[in-house]
Amino acid sequence: GAGVSQSPRYKVAKRGQDVALRCDPISGHVSLFWYQQALGQGPEFLTYFQNEAQLDKSGLPSDRFFAERPEGSVSTLKIQRTQQEDSAVYLCASSLAGGYSNQPQHFGDGTRLSIL
Amino acid sequence: RKEVEQDPGPFNVPEGATVAFNCTYSNSASQSFFWYRQDCRKEPKLLMSVYSSGNEDGRFTAQLNRASQYISLLIRDSKLSDSATYLCVGRFGNEKLTFGTGTRLTIIP
Repeated sequence: GAGVSQSPRYKVAKRGQDVALRCDPISGHVSLFWYQQALGQGPEFLTYFQNEAQLDKSGLPSDRFFAERPEGSVSTLKIQRTQQEDSAVYLCASSLAGGYSNQPQHFGDGTRLSIL
Repeated sequence: RKEVEQDPGPFNVPEGATVAFNCTYSNSASQSFFWYRQDCRKEPKLLMSVYSSGNEDGRFTAQLNRASQYISLLIRDSKLSDSATYLCVGRFGNEKLTFGTGTRLTIIP
């Protein structure tokens, strides 16, 4: 079956440009998460959706980062006026249940973002 | 201090050996723990959940010690295919996962 799909796989942008990263979760999965993984580090939480509601955005590093999931399925992470420190792999994960549960999170391959 | 800490390694271990990783956590909130495996340039994948009673899956054994606030992963009879980064992961009273830095393991033929 289809897993979590992210696009593009690689994105190169010049400093100051806006970028948009897409996540298509597993069909029927209620929860969707975005994580940022810098080189040599573990993933760091950015934001969490339950259906279309953004319940936690405490990990977004600045107001240049914005995420949405308008219809409760596909999500977009947008970064405005990109900086070099935004270079990282952006991982999307989804899980079946909403709320606090032990449902596993399934990760996509990630988008590798490089800011020049 | 990071909520979940682990030795980044690298660990270079001969094939067939037993290798153990430890991880410590500092958050006292309601917790669940996991080990994830991440291959180079790939996504993290759930290896196993970790329980206080200890759990085993083939050559892999995970253990949680709440009193000492550490989690362990033991790999017996290591294979070349076990080479990867092993991520210690906690969930502290909410939905998000909190990852350690990861421990890089290389199995040497």
